Amino acid sequence: GDSVTQMEGPVTLSEEAFLTINCTYTATGYPSLFWYVQYPGEGLQLLLKATKADDKGSNKGFEATYRKETTSFHLEKGSVQVSDSAVYFCALTSNQFYFGTGTSLTVIP
Amino acid sequence: ETGVTQTPRHLVMGMTNKKSLKCEQHLGHNAMYWYKQSAKKPLELMFVYSLEERVENNSVPSRFSPECPNSSHLFLHLHTLQPEDSALYLCASSQARQAQKINSPLHFGNGTRLTVT
Repeated sequence: GDSVTQMEGPVTLSEEAFLTINCTYTATGYPSLFWYVQYPGEGLQLLLKATKADDKGSNKGFEATYRKETTSFHLEKGSVQVSDSAVYFCALTSNQFYFGTGTSLTVIP
Repeated sequence: ETGVTQTPRHLVMGMTNKKSLKCEQHLGHNAMYWYKQSAKKPLELMFVYSLEERVENNSVPSRFSPECPNSSHLFLHLHTLQPEDSALYLCASSQARQAQKINSPLHFGNGTRLTVT
């Protein structure tokens, strides 16, 4: 069946460091891919999405490219801020949504 | 109000109580969902109402009972819960283009933190 695998955390970075959170997927057909972010005490918020191969989703300095050849959708940001501290979820949808287990990011000043 | 609103934000209940969680969406969506979020586990889809059809996860215990009176409101009725049911319960909505073919993003509420004592 369809599934999403993302790197386990927690991840701790200094402010202005480069961020990569790996995500790979297994799916039949052509899923849409998403990154969601969850700040403490809140629900999940859509961060970015890509609906077909080679699409790049971007928002708030975060980017992820839909790579069909490597079945990946890695999240990147060039310079993280303390306010980026949150849990990040990779997800795909085909006939239903499948979420990864989440990666906790802490950015220290 | 806009978005997806869940009430209450926090709920503590005993194992013999009956309570209900409420969700309301103001986005004009036609699909609504209940998810369970437990520490160190993937999000668990509990129930889906999409285009007025209900889709269930057959592994969800019968002590959880959903109700969707219209496309904007969703309830989760709780009865004789167990301590392991303590979790964050998230409601979400989306725009489904056809039954069980869901490509548009989910919009989540802030959740109800449930503690069963």
